[in-house]
Amino acid sequence: EDKVVQSPLSLVVHEGDTVTLNCSYEVTNFRSLLWYKQEKKAPTFLFMLTSSGIEKKSGRLSSILDKKELFSILNITATQTGDSAIYLCAVAQGGSEKLVFGKGTKLTVNP
Amino acid sequence: NAGVTQTPKFRILKIGQSMTLQCTQDMNHNYMYWYRQDPGMGLKLIYYSVGAGITDKGEVPNGYNVSRSTTEDFPLRLELAAPSQTSVYFCASSLQGGGNQPQHFGDGTRLSIL
Repeated sequence: EDKVVQSPLSLVVHEGDTVTLNCSYEVTNFRSLLWYKQEKKAPTFLFMLTSSGIEKKSGRLSSILDKKELFSILNITATQTGDSAIYLCAVAQGGSEKLVFGKGTKLTVNP
Repeated sequence: NAGVTQTPKFRILKIGQSMTLQCTQDMNHNYMYWYRQDPGMGLKLIYYSVGAGITDKGEVPNGYNVSRSTTEDFPLRLELAAPSQTSVYFCASSLQGGGNQPQHFGDGTRLSIL
């Protein structure tokens, strides 16, 4: 069965800390891995990683994909209270429209 | 640029009632999706569409129906609401399918069946 496992499920840090969120997957016919940030409403797209793009960076956020070990990490440096959210990891399969989602990591950044 | 718009934002239904969740996008995306998100769980795909007139089942289609008469609109219909359908429903769209482009989500509809 295809599955995506995120860890930790919940994390509480102080402003300024650096956090690493993990996503491991067992999915047939891997196409791409996506990270989303979900605050109170819609998941908003952060990164998409594929075989041809295994490292992405945007400001304080960065992500890498290890296709050999079947995992990805999302790194956030110098965290801010606005980073508080649920971070979702999803894997897309070639030849399918299904995204396999993990359960998410709930990040709380305290001032 | 509105993106993906869902209505209503909240709804309470009685068991056995029917309703339609509306979804429209203004990005001219061919691919559209309906997900449900239950507490503590990942999003599950209900139905998807690769273009006007074409729809297909996802992981959890039972109890739902969809139609796609235009590129912009992708409504989701619940015919006989059941408590198990209490969830948050998200509509999404993408320019390309198959994981080649990211999906963009609407703000969701929170539905309670009592």
